[in-house]
Amino acid sequence: ETGVTQSPTHLIKTRGQQVTLRCSSQSGHNTVSWYQQALGQGPQFIFQYYREEENGRGNFPPRFSGLQFPNYSSELNVNALELDDSALYLCASSRLRGGDNEQFFGPGTRLTVL
Amino acid sequence: QKEVEQDPGPLSVPEGAIVSLNCTYSNSAFQYFMWYRQYSRKGPELLMYTYSSGNKEDGRFTAQVDKSSKYISLFIRDSQPSDSATYLCAMSEGTGGFKTIFGAGTRLFVKA
Repeated sequence: ETGVTQSPTHLIKTRGQQVTLRCSSQSGHNTVSWYQQALGQGPQFIFQYYREEENGRGNFPPRFSGLQFPNYSSELNVNALELDDSALYLCASSRLRGGDNEQFFGPGTRLTVL
Repeated sequence: QKEVEQDPGPLSVPEGAIVSLNCTYSNSAFQYFMWYRQYSRKGPELLMYTYSSGNKEDGRFTAQVDKSSKYISLFIRDSQPSDSATYLCAMSEGTGGFKTIFGAGTRLFVKA
């Protein structure tokens, strides 16, 4: 069974730029959720994708957008980067409507915005 | 007031001690309750999940949920230095991780 993988591991961008982060789901999982974790805080839910559609969104502006592909991998795109976007971005996969609530997280992408 | 409150610690205990970690919450619609362990610069690792009220045990770990008090706990028996990490409580209304809300995490140090 393959776990959740994310790329890249680290990324440095400047304010105003755009960034794309990638995630591969765990085998057998059809749902991907993205979280932002600021230093010293718990992860905050950004949005979830199920069957290539956004399935719910947290309190994040539209410049945070995503995609899910037929193989259930996913991308997180952030436009017009701000300094406060510096954080660890986590992807988690799960099996929606499978009767359980287990989410498995990837190692994260650490984004630094200068 | 945050939906989920968790004491950030740090909590320092000697090896072999029983550790008690707790969270309170305000949303009575939460049905699924999880505990994650996160080592520095790594993703969270699922330790325990519980549906509704009750207890669940897995090895040295016991999770308790009291929905009437909106209070959840994680107990770690015979703590080891390798248990030193940040412990995150998390909860959600629906399955599949939908809109899961996390606590801020408690940093635990287990001294050899």
